[in-house]
Amino acid sequence: EPEVTQTPSHQVTQMGQEVILRCVPISNHLYFYWYRQILGQKVEFLVSFYNNEISEKSEIFDDQFSVERPDGSNFTLKIRSTKLEDSAMYFCASRGRGTYEQYFGPGTRLTVT
Amino acid sequence: KNQVEQSPQSLIILEGKNCTLQCNYTVSPFSNLRWYKQDTGRGPVSLTIMTFSENTKSNGRYTATLDADTKQSSLHITASQLSDSASYICVVSASPTAGNMLTFGGGTRLMVKP
Repeated sequence: EPEVTQTPSHQVTQMGQEVILRCVPISNHLYFYWYRQILGQKVEFLVSFYNNEISEKSEIFDDQFSVERPDGSNFTLKIRSTKLEDSAMYFCASRGRGTYEQYFGPGTRLTVT
Repeated sequence: KNQVEQSPQSLIILEGKNCTLQCNYTVSPFSNLRWYKQDTGRGPVSLTIMTFSENTKSNGRYTATLDADTKQSSLHITASQLSDSASYICVVSASPTAGNMLTFGGGTRLMVKP
């Protein structure tokens, strides 16, 4: 069964460094999403992406964040200058046309020290 | 502000027993309501999705109900198994005209004991 994959599973970085989190959505999906979950808290929407542009973003998704679909398979989330409060689990999700169903990846745990 | 509240926060039941989890939401406009199962350290996995016109939906031992008038939903788990131990998250989506942003509840952490 097709699934969303994410790499790395765990990323440790120093405050102020740039990180890129990678996702490979399900191959025929057209809508892509990033979410984050700070330890012990709710999952929060960050951004949705369709047709090579951002569809919607939350107030969390400020100028430090960017997303890109550099080729036909990858979908990336870049954090330009990480802060301690960026430490969280980051989930990628994708959705096909004509369905509400979003499929989540296993997540990348980002630890900022 | 769109919000989804779940109760109880945590629940312990014995294997084989049934349980019901509750969800209240104040999301407008409303498109659909989903229940997800999330194992610790993993991504959420969809159990059910219900639109405005649906009152109930089943997926194996999981049955979700929706009352769009009172903005409440429940997830009933029948004949629980040890593998049901996880967090169950209620998620509400605003209408397609507001994009497909999902508002997540805080989850109910279920532990099934032998």
